[in-house]
Amino acid sequence: ILNVEQSPQSLHVQEGDSTNFTCSFPSSNFYALHWYRWETAKSPEALFVMTLNGDEKKKGRISATLNTKEGYSYLYIKGSQPEDSATYLCAFSGGGADGLTFGKGTHLIIQP
Amino acid sequence: ETGVTQTPRHLVMGMTNKKSLKCEQHLGHNAMYWYKQSAKKPLELMFVYSLEERVENNSVPSRFSPECPNSSHLFLHLHTLQPEDSALYLCASSQDYGRGLADTQYFGPGTRLTVL
Repeated sequence: ILNVEQSPQSLHVQEGDSTNFTCSFPSSNFYALHWYRWETAKSPEALFVMTLNGDEKKKGRISATLNTKEGYSYLYIKGSQPEDSATYLCAFSGGGADGLTFGKGTHLIIQP
Repeated sequence: ETGVTQTPRHLVMGMTNKKSLKCEQHLGHNAMYWYKQSAKKPLELMFVYSLEERVENNSVPSRFSPECPNSSHLFLHLHTLQPEDSALYLCASSQDYGRGLADTQYFGPGTRLTVL
């Protein structure tokens, strides 16, 4: 059973502050690491798919880094806005028939 | 809008009922997925279809029966479910299955299922 851990489970951040959270995954048999953003009552929305050690990806105020050798990825949000409030999911692919293994998510609340 | 729709959005059923969940993708993708999210658990993969063929997945009870009549549609047929099957069921699609699952998956909004 693959173990994908996200921390913290929940996070309250003041509007305008920057924040980051972590996804830990197995460091062996790595193929890809996905990040999704999931707002309540909506569909999970893809943010990034990362495949190479040292990858850094950016989308507006959100960016992510990847370290496959030590098995972690960070998601950063710069200058948080209320619309950033959501659950952020990461998902690991070991390339096998098990598909993507998801973490439980980090629930982010931006306080005005 | 992700290009993946699911119906119904909410479903309440008794343990002896038979119902079906429907998923449709308008993205021209070749792979489709069913996921389950139970309370306080991560998303769990149930089934994968690639080019309308089911990829082996043997951890799902037989009371869940998937069907993929064409590359745009995916169904999940439900019969004699248990209360513990109450969960959010999400459908997703991706361009292809394989390549280490590096293709982005596009999710529908889910069906909230309650089994009484």
